[in-house]
Amino acid sequence: GAGVSQSPSNKVTEKGKDVELRCDPISGHTALYWYRQSLGQGLEFLIYFQGNSAPDKSGLPSDRFSAERTGGSVSTLTIQRTQQEDSAVYLCASSLVGGGARETQYFGPGTRLLVL
Amino acid sequence: QQQVKQSPQSLIVQKGGIPIINCAYENTAFDYFPWYQQFPGKGPALLIAIRPDVSEKKEGRFTISFNKSAKQFSLHIMDSQPGDSATYFCAAEPGNQFYFGTGTSLTVIP
Repeated sequence: GAGVSQSPSNKVTEKGKDVELRCDPISGHTALYWYRQSLGQGLEFLIYFQGNSAPDKSGLPSDRFSAERTGGSVSTLTIQRTQQEDSAVYLCASSLVGGGARETQYFGPGTRLLVL
Repeated sequence: QQQVKQSPQSLIVQKGGIPIINCAYENTAFDYFPWYQQFPGKGPALLIAIRPDVSEKKEGRFTISFNKSAKQFSLHIMDSQPGDSATYFCAAEPGNQFYFGTGTSLTVIP
């Protein structure tokens, strides 16, 4: 079936504006993850959703970052009052179960965000 | 604080060579160690993974060596090909969250 999809693929915004990034996980996957990939910094965990449980927000870098997952499927990552240091590739991944099941995470192609 | 330290940052080998990428960790709660491969413009994809109860795992030309006492693990690519040119990330998981290394950019010269 279809893999994880993300939109937009690229986003250029001005400092101070809000942006929304969308992730469509693989159908049937209950776990969804957001990561940030900055040059030379690897993948930085942001947030994790597992079914109907409260999300693990421990990786969100500031209160300008928030995410929601509607109906246990699509997720939106929102960055308010964007700063230049927010420029990065934002990756979404999903897995069938998550939560220590040692399952493969399937990544989307990412959204490349540039804050001018 | 980087939970998983990866080296080298970049690596260039000739076709047929055996590039080796190393990772180290401190947290003994980590008990699952995957490697991901990422091509330009794509998201990372699982390549191979190991649990600490074994010292080596092979899948095709890819081998993970694991040293539990040293808290180190490495990826070896046998008979490397230009198509293996990509960025490789090691990761470690204690539960519901992955900690990734900073990545190694591998270039295999024809």
